[in-house]
Amino acid sequence: DAGVIQSPRHEVTEMGQEVTLRCKLISGHNSLFWYRQTMMRGLELLIYFNNNVPIDDSGMPEDRFSAKMPNASFSTLKIQPSEPRDSAVYFCASSFPGTGNNEQFFGPGTRLTVL
Amino acid sequence: DQQVKQNSPSLSVQEGRISILNCDYTNSMFDYFLWYKKYPAEGPTFLISISSIKDKNEDGRFTVFLNKSAKHLSLHIVPSQPGDSAVYFCAASEDTDKLIFGTGTRLQVFP
Repeated sequence: DAGVIQSPRHEVTEMGQEVTLRCKLISGHNSLFWYRQTMMRGLELLIYFNNNVPIDDSGMPEDRFSAKMPNASFSTLKIQPSEPRDSAVYFCASSFPGTGNNEQFFGPGTRLTVL
Repeated sequence: DQQVKQNSPSLSVQEGRISILNCDYTNSMFDYFLWYKKYPAEGPTFLISISSIKDKNEDGRFTVFLNKSAKHLSLHIVPSQPGDSAVYFCAASEDTDKLIFGTGTRLQVFP
């Protein structure tokens, strides 16, 4: 299995532009999590889905952020319009029921730089 | 408000010695605690976990200790190796799929 796949790995954009980050879950996993990593706050959960349904989006910082899960294996995180303070590494992770310890499997991340 | 705290941003240990990484939490309802390891330019990878009904879990060189009364857990690495140099994240969950992560501790193991 290829693991969780994220694209792009790096994104540099200008303030005001729309940014779309993509994530492919591990086959058979049914929960999907989007995180943002910053020096000050560590790994922050932005939103998570279970069986394609958003369960908790309390971590989404503003209305500029939106996430979708159009099917069981794919998700997007969109920032529109982007701002310099959105610069961070964004991770998605997936999990499956029955792990016993709530283990999540992370992708390699997308490093976003907003100029 | 940070429910999971890692108060030491960095730790430096000599190869062969013990590394002790600490984590404090505020929510007494957490039922699982996990440690993740992260190398630069990679995603975090699962290392070891412990259920709230236990006070110790061991896996090779890695041992996690849980002190529920103090709301504190620690990760011990013995002996430390240069390949252990990474950022370590503590995480906790409360009867859901959701994990709450700490801010991480950067461990450097030098020869």
